[in-house]
Amino acid sequence: GNSVTQMEGPVTLSEEAFLTINCTYTATGYPSLFWYVQYPGEGLQLLLKATKADDKGSNKGFEATYRKETTSFHLEKGSVQVSDSAVYFCALRSGGGADGLTFGKGTHLIIQP
Amino acid sequence: GAVVSQHPSRVICKSGTSVKIECRSLDFQATTMFWYRQFPKKSLMLMATSNEGSKATYEQGVEKDKFLINHASLTLSTLTVTSAHPEDSSFYICSATLAGTYEQYFGPGTRLTVT
Repeated sequence: GNSVTQMEGPVTLSEEAFLTINCTYTATGYPSLFWYVQYPGEGLQLLLKATKADDKGSNKGFEATYRKETTSFHLEKGSVQVSDSAVYFCALRSGGGADGLTFGKGTHLIIQP
Repeated sequence: GAVVSQHPSRVICKSGTSVKIECRSLDFQATTMFWYRQFPKKSLMLMATSNEGSKATYEQGVEKDKFLINHASLTLSTLTVTSAHPEDSSFYICSATLAGTYEQYFGPGTRLTVT
């Protein structure tokens, strides 16, 4: 079956530090890959996505590249801000667009001023 | 745009009673809605896929008679936890798919506590 593994948190960084949150997956076929972010008290929001190998998703300074050879989709940001503090979920969708998502456990990111 | 709401946000009920959770797409029509369950320090687990006007499709291991899903309109899906037990206590999250894009928009979740 499908599965997503992401680094456990919490991850605590200082403002302007470089961020990497690792994500690897197991899936049949050619899944689409996603990163979602959940701010306190809010629902999950799509941060970025990639639908095929070597695609790079990017948004709000965050990037992730679909690496089929390593089955990875690591999230990176060059300089984090306090406002980036949230829980980040890596997810995949292996079927068509109408299929549900398989999520990782989430990584709680804390950015200190 | 693409806002999804859930009601209630929190609910406490006694063991043996039933609880209904609503999921609404406020500004778009959703042909498909999904229900997820999140355990503490665990990932969101897909429970079922709900299509308007048809029966829900449940994931393996999810009891369809316990978690009743109704998708009566293009903007509303409900999850009813029947004869709730303490082990049903969890965080339930719905998402709605914008037709034509397949992008899922998530509700803020409902915290269910069964005493």
